[in-house]
Amino acid sequence: DAGVIQSPRHEVTEMGQEVTLRCKPISGHDYLFWYRQTMMRGLELLIYFNNNVPIDDSGMPEDRFSAKMPNASFSTLKIQPSEPRDSAVYFCASAKTGAYNEQFFGPGTRLTVL
Amino acid sequence: AQSVTQLGSHVSVSEGALVLLRCNYSSSVPPYLFWYVQYPNQGLQLLLKYTSAATLVKGINDFEAEFKKSETSFHLTKPSAHMSDAAEYFCAVSYSGNTPLVFGKGTRLSVIA
Repeated sequence: DAGVIQSPRHEVTEMGQEVTLRCKPISGHDYLFWYRQTMMRGLELLIYFNNNVPIDDSGMPEDRFSAKMPNASFSTLKIQPSEPRDSAVYFCASAKTGAYNEQFFGPGTRLTVL
Repeated sequence: AQSVTQLGSHVSVSEGALVLLRCNYSSSVPPYLFWYVQYPNQGLQLLLKYTSAATLVKGINDFEAEFKKSETSFHLTKPSAHMSDAAEYFCAVSYSGNTPLVFGKGTRLSVIA
């Protein structure tokens, strides 16, 4: 079975540019999570969805960040405009109701904002 | 609020030595507990999980963890460290009701030849 798929794996952009990260969850999973990982702050939950509906976005750092889930098989995390402090690894994870909340992680997108 | 404390941000062991990574959780209700491993430049993958069945849980690569309710602990052990075990290890907790996992800050394991 395919796991969680993220694209791109690496992204280098300049400050002020728009960045879009993509995630395809495991088929049949109804929860999707976006995380950010940095050396300073560790692993942070940004937002999560249930059945394509955002449930908690309190971890989104500021209005420059937005996330959508138009259908059960696709989600995006957008940063506009990007800043150097957004440089991090962004992970997407999915989970299935009734499975003890076990999350399956994608390989991550390493974002560098110059 | 749920929380997880991992004691020691960095643990170093010799190859062949016992690995012990500590995790304590705060809880007033029975939790689900997880250990994840993150190898360099990869995502997190599940090592093992406790879901209120056996208190001693065995995972991949000879890792195991024991749920101790009286100590609110879920420490991860491996009898003999291998060089390939060098990675970041995360303890996580959740409860029923499909709440998101709460992760600890992680422990980086180094294995010395």
